[in-house]
Amino acid sequence: AQSVAQPEDQVNVAEGNPLTVKCTYSVSGNPYLFWYVQYPNRGLQFLLKYITGDNLVKGSYGFEAEFNKSQTSFHLKKPSALVSDSALYFCAVREVNYGGSQGNLIFGKGTKLSVKP
Amino acid sequence: ETGVTQTPRHLVMGMTNKKSLKCEQHLGHNAMYWYKQSAKKPLELMFVYSLEERVENNSVPSRFSPECPNSSHLFLHLHTLQPEDSALYLCASSQDTTGGRVNEQFFGPGTRLTVL
Repeated sequence: AQSVAQPEDQVNVAEGNPLTVKCTYSVSGNPYLFWYVQYPNRGLQFLLKYITGDNLVKGSYGFEAEFNKSQTSFHLKKPSALVSDSALYFCAVREVNYGGSQGNLIFGKGTKLSVKP
Repeated sequence: ETGVTQTPRHLVMGMTNKKSLKCEQHLGHNAMYWYKQSAKKPLELMFVYSLEERVENNSVPSRFSPECPNSSHLFLHLHTLQPEDSALYLCASSQDTTGGRVNEQFFGPGTRLTVL
């Protein structure tokens, strides 16, 4: 069964510093990986996804994520954090089986990012 | 604006009430989803509709009843709910395709449901 782990409930970063939000996954087939962000009283917004190709994926708002197959990780990164980046971040995985059939999107429990001025 | 709208945004109901949540997507997608988001728990997938047919029901209690009359609209009918059903209910849509392409889901703002 596929699963996603976000080991940190909260990440605190000073504005201007680099940030990393961690995600590890477990699938039996090929993983399709996603990051979403949720601002207060809003739905989830898509940030980026890894399907295949380059391990470094660039997304919205200056975010990027690095796919590491050997470590089964897909950490979200940003070189310089902004106060407005403060939000709840979700990692998600969708399993693609060898026959091409796709499983459902499985979400991690979320990591709250707090960026202080 | 994500292109997925949900109404109402907030709903308070008693355990004996019957209410419905509405979701509409303006993106031309062919798949729609209901998720439940509770505090400190991962998002729970409740229902999936693809091409207006239900393809997934993750053992959701029968007091939740989905309806998908067309590819743009999705409803969640609620009756005799319990206080533990209080949560944020999120609707999402995506373009499901064959051939391996995986597209992201677009979410609505959610309906904050409180069951008294």
